[in-house]
Amino acid sequence: GAVVSQHPSWVICKSGTSVKIECRSLDFQATTMFWYRQFPKQSLMLMATSNEGSKATYEQGVEKDKFLINHASLTLSTLTVTSAHPEDSSFYICSADGGGTSGKTSYNEQFFGPGTRLTVL
Amino acid sequence: GQQLNQSPQSMFIQEGEDVSMNCTSSSIFNTWLWYKQDPGEGPVLLIALYKAGELTSNGRLTAQFGITRKDSFLNISASIPSDVGIYFCAGRGTGGFKTIFGAGTRLFVKA
Repeated sequence: GAVVSQHPSWVICKSGTSVKIECRSLDFQATTMFWYRQFPKQSLMLMATSNEGSKATYEQGVEKDKFLINHASLTLSTLTVTSAHPEDSSFYICSADGGGTSGKTSYNEQFFGPGTRLTVL
Repeated sequence: GQQLNQSPQSMFIQEGEDVSMNCTSSSIFNTWLWYKQDPGEGPVLLIALYKAGELTSNGRLTAQFGITRKDSFLNISASIPSDVGIYFCAGRGTGGFKTIFGAGTRLFVKA
């Protein structure tokens, strides 16, 4: 199946610093990528939809100036948590839409990265 | 907005038993997806369903897309300890690419 990677897998930072998380589709091109956050024992909460070459679409209640998203190419989207605070500590997961162009994926299938555990001290 | 009701919330079963979980919604979906998530990892796609009434198997897993397009179930036969994890249903509607997730079913399998 299609492979999505995330880097780093975990990060610990001081309050007030910024953290960048990368999401890559390794063997297919993804026009659309998604960013989720997941708190312990809870479901995935969609933060934003990232479209290659255009601005991200943020879900209600998600601050676009705090969670900066850049989708510069068909295989890379980045999420930057700016001025992180302890309440931003969470598991951040990206996913990429299978576009069907490479033959490895199908439309409407969403493939997830392994997640990034962010801990803000 | 669209919501998925996933049940049961958790299940404690004996190895070898069959398991069934389901998702329902008041909205119609065009695609149903079932994922499994292990602790500290991202969800892994198990089965994707595209047509109402579709029944699809993946090894010991079987999932169906409900005729009304408002529900789906996942069955696991002859469970084994490595089936432990959280199972999420997800639906995609007619409006775009946004995927709605259920709250998850936590499966515990006792050897």
